[in-house]
Amino acid sequence: DAGVTQSPTHLIKTRGQQVTLRCSPKSGHDTVSWYQQALGQGPQFIFQYYEEEERQRGNFPDRFSGHQFPNYSSELNVNALLLGDSALYLCASSFRQGNPTNEKLFFGSGTQLSVL
Amino acid sequence: AQRVTQPEKLLSVFKGAPVELKCNYSYSGSPELFWYVQYSRQRLQLLLRHISRESIKGFTADLNKGETSFHLKKPFAQEEDSAMYYCALLGYNKLIFGAGTRLAVHP
Repeated sequence: DAGVTQSPTHLIKTRGQQVTLRCSPKSGHDTVSWYQQALGQGPQFIFQYYEEEERQRGNFPDRFSGHQFPNYSSELNVNALLLGDSALYLCASSFRQGNPTNEKLFFGSGTQLSVL
Repeated sequence: AQRVTQPEKLLSVFKGAPVELKCNYSYSGSPELFWYVQYSRQRLQLLLRHISRESIKGFTADLNKGETSFHLKKPFAQEEDSAMYYCALLGYNKLIFGAGTRLAVHP
């Protein structure tokens, strides 16, 4: 089992562009959460997907959107990139099966996004 | 508002010394609390959670609702404990992380 895999590992974009980040959850997991980790900070919750729907959302603008596919993989999309969007984006998966308190998360290695 | 505070960015100790990584939280409901750890060049991973009342790698953490704290403790630090430690709170189905404390254990 490869665990949680994210692609790409690094990405460089310019202001105003759009970006899509991808995540494959750990085998057997049905829930994907996305986090933004700025330098020197802890991970900040963006949103969570379960059964192909956004179930929870953190304090992020609508420029941040996502999707979950039938195979449980997920994408994070960010439109109209700002310099402040530069960060490590982490994907975490868990086995929820309708139990929102089962939050033993398994993290991917992240995608480092640089916005110039 | 739900919040997790880790007041120390860096904790530096010598091998064999006791360790206490502080975590305070703010949450109006009944919290579930976790400690996650990230070793050098590794992924963030769960260390322990308060509902399990377990000891992992010699670390323990007790939830103190009166002081709204969930400090991580180990009686004798080892060099391999050097890592970044994050306290996290599960509130309203969202996992909220603190800013983290870097633990450096010197020989």
